[in-house]
Amino acid sequence: GQNIDQPTEMTATEGAIVQINCTYQTSGFNGLFWYQQHAGEAPTFLSYNVLDGLEEKGRFSSFLSRSKGYSYLLLKELQMKDSASYLCAVITGGSYIPTFGRGTSLIVHP
Amino acid sequence: DGGITQSPKYLFRKEGQNVTLSCEQNLNHDAMYWYRQDPGQGLRLIYYSQIVNDFQKGDIAEGYSVSREKKESFPLTVTSAQKNPTAFYLCASSIEQGTGNTIYFGEGSWLTVV
Repeated sequence: GQNIDQPTEMTATEGAIVQINCTYQTSGFNGLFWYQQHAGEAPTFLSYNVLDGLEEKGRFSSFLSRSKGYSYLLLKELQMKDSASYLCAVITGGSYIPTFGRGTSLIVHP
Repeated sequence: DGGITQSPKYLFRKEGQNVTLSCEQNLNHDAMYWYRQDPGQGLRLIYYSQIVNDFQKGDIAEGYSVSREKKESFPLTVTSAQKNPTAFYLCASSIEQGTGNTIYFGEGSWLTVV
């Protein structure tokens, strides 16, 4: 079966840096997505990793280690609007459909 | 503007009633998906379609049905057999089903049983 783990909730201070981790145990691996979802809204695409290493995109960066079954999303210079749920999704072998974790609710406070 | 349109945004269903959620996309994507999201839960796959006139069951297809008669449209029917339908439903699409193809989501539909 597929198992994707993320922390349920994290809190951080405006202006700070936060790292959201995602570990996975899946049958096959063909890439990992990170999505941001504000309450009651649609998830929006943040990043995609298929090779090991760090992908940087503005304030957001995503890291992948396939051998460890591990990824993280790094958010810098946190803003209040970054308060949202962050979803990790793994593309497993075979169907090429992402399997989503339960998401991490990030609360940014002043 | 290109995108995925879901309707209605809010829907109330009575016990024993079937309801249909609409999903239309003008992105010219081949693959379309339906996910269900419960509070504090991740997205769970209901059905997906790789191409017109073809669709496959996801992880929680019981009590749901779909059709894919046109490339642009992938409606989801929540039947009376679905015993716990209250949830947030998300329709999504991608260029094709495959590695690295980003899945884009519609705005979602809230379904509540009354």
